[in-house]
Amino acid sequence: EDQVTQSPEALRLQEGESSSLNCSYTVSGLRGLFWYRQDPGKGPEFLFTLYSAGEEKEKERLKATLTKKESFLHITAPKPEDSATYLCAVMDTGRRALTFGSGTRLQVQP
Amino acid sequence: EAGVTQFPSHSVIEKGQTVTLRCDPISGHDNLYWYRRVMGKEIKFLLHFVKESKQDESGMPNNRFLAERTGGTYSTLKVQPAELEDSGVYFCASSQGTGNSPLHFGNGTRLTVT
Repeated sequence: EDQVTQSPEALRLQEGESSSLNCSYTVSGLRGLFWYRQDPGKGPEFLFTLYSAGEEKEKERLKATLTKKESFLHITAPKPEDSATYLCAVMDTGRRALTFGSGTRLQVQP
Repeated sequence: EAGVTQFPSHSVIEKGQTVTLRCDPISGHDNLYWYRRVMGKEIKFLLHFVKESKQDESGMPNNRFLAERTGGTYSTLKVQPAELEDSGVYFCASSQGTGNSPLHFGNGTRLTVT
């Protein structure tokens, strides 16, 4: 059974203070690892897909990396508008369903 | 491009009643998914349509849940009769037809069963 564990559960940063979120996963065969951002009262918003170990993707202040066991979401010089819950999910090769982690709640204070 | 839309945004019903949730996917997306988050838990998969066909319904909790996708366009998820443990947020998502296309989610329907 696919499993996704995210840490930390919650993270409070000062504006400009860089950090990383962790996503550990187990899957029989990885079709893709997905990062989403979710704001209160909204649905998950797609950020990145990573397909194989060693791959990296960047978007503004966010950079996602992937190894065979985990993924990191690096946040460089965050701003208050980066405050949200960040979700990690995996899709295995056997089906099209996503298995989600419980998320990391990020708060960036000005 | 219009995103995935869900209706209603909130629904409060009594135990034993019936509720129908609706999802309109992004135009042209053959894949449609239902997920839900119950209190304190992570988002969990319910089922997957490809056009009008159910591809995977392994996440449906029991036979009180019925999903349909008429003509491969919008989808409905009916809960009958609703139980207290059905409370949560129900998300719909859609994706294009091939490979590892990302899922695009709607804002969800918050269902409260009292």
